Amino acid sequence: GAGVSQSPSNKVTEKGKDVELRCDPISGHTALYWYRQSLGQGLEFLIYFQGNSAPDKSGLPSDRFSAERTGGSVSTLTIQRTQQEDSAVYLCASSLDVGAGTDTQYFGPGTRLTVL
Amino acid sequence: QKEVEQNSGPLSVPEGAIASLNCTYSDRGSQSFFWYRQYSGKSPELIMFIYSNGDKEDGRFTAQLNKASQYVSLLIRDSQPSDSATYLCAVGGSYIPTFGRGTSLIVHP
Repeated sequence: GAGVSQSPSNKVTEKGKDVELRCDPISGHTALYWYRQSLGQGLEFLIYFQGNSAPDKSGLPSDRFSAERTGGSVSTLTIQRTQQEDSAVYLCASSLDVGAGTDTQYFGPGTRLTVL
Repeated sequence: QKEVEQNSGPLSVPEGAIASLNCTYSDRGSQSFFWYRQYSGKSPELIMFIYSNGDKEDGRFTAQLNKASQYVSLLIRDSQPSDSATYLCAVGGSYIPTFGRGTSLIVHP
């Protein structure tokens, strides 16, 4: 079946502009995660959605970052007033559920964001 | 603060050798353990997961888990140049898995 999809694959923007990144998880996966990966660095957790529960936003680096998930499926990560330090690859992952045996994460191809 | 530690490498092995990648974790309550492979410029892809103490084999890959020592490893037998990548260890148990920073593996002909 289809995997996790993300769009756009690349985004170049000017400092101060807002950007929206989209993630379409695997059908039936209730958990959705956003991560950020800067060049040569590990995965930085940003936000987690599980079903209809309130999202865990503990990883968002500033109030310029927000995310929503509509209808328990598609998610959008919004970065307002982008800064050069926001340049990174933004990865989305989904999993069937939470708990041993079902919490394997499947990653999308990522969105490479470049802020000039 | 949950931590997952990996040697950043690079780990360099000759083609055909066994590559051994190691990972330690701090949270004793962790229940699930994952190894992901990430090629340069690509997203992580799952190689294996393991939940129980002992070994789990899948083709050329073997994951080893020792919960008492809080240690998980990945062995790659008959290493190939195509195995050259960064290997990420991830540890679950709460709803947000913790990822290590990854070990870079280079398999040279």
